[in-house]
Amino acid sequence: DAGITQSPRHKVTETGTPVTLRCHQTENHRYMYWYRQDPGHGLRLIHYSYGVKDTDKGEVSDGYSVSRSKTEDFLLTLESATSSQTSVYFCAISDAAGGRNEKLFFGSGTQLSVL
Amino acid sequence: GNSVTQMEGPVTLSEEAFLTINCTYTATGYPSLFWYVQYPGEGLQLLLKATKADDKGSNKGFEATYRKETTSFHLEKGSVQVSDSAVYFCALSGSGYSTLTFGKGTMLLVSP
Repeated sequence: DAGITQSPRHKVTETGTPVTLRCHQTENHRYMYWYRQDPGHGLRLIHYSYGVKDTDKGEVSDGYSVSRSKTEDFLLTLESATSSQTSVYFCAISDAAGGRNEKLFFGSGTQLSVL
Repeated sequence: GNSVTQMEGPVTLSEEAFLTINCTYTATGYPSLFWYVQYPGEGLQLLLKATKADDKGSNKGFEATYRKETTSFHLEKGSVQVSDSAVYFCALSGSGYSTLTFGKGTMLLVSP
């Protein structure tokens, strides 16, 4: 199994509070991704990173920010959590982007509930 | 832009039945196509892939053929097991640098 650790695994928070989710990898992969999974929507990309300090927005980036100061860590921050951000969040990593070499390895997910 | 459409679930089958989960796509150029599987309580994992037209990906008894003429990549298995119960995601990766585009997922429930 690819070495990907997400923390925390579960979190309950209140509307308006800041929340940070962490993804840590031991594979030295260049690319890292944050997805959210919701019923009826499948997986949607929030943000991704293609190197240290290099990040870009996905299709549902509003209300989220990310940082990557080291190859192994990719942080997802909800500056002011809202109930619509209640979801399961998955981190994924890859050593190639696009085309035939694309293969994502996923973490086990973080269940976030915003009350 | 790129998009993936999967049949809605859940798909409910008895053990040893034949499985088909339909997937069609829209993409420019020559995408690579993938099936990912998510078992309960886990993250997704790659099941199989195909990188060019007429390629067949296969793994664990599952197969899918890249059909460019019908823009499809249907997942099949001849005899499902209870342990195959999971959510299956079809995905594509465009040529050049691009992020994966996922379908909404299809839940498969297999009963003994």
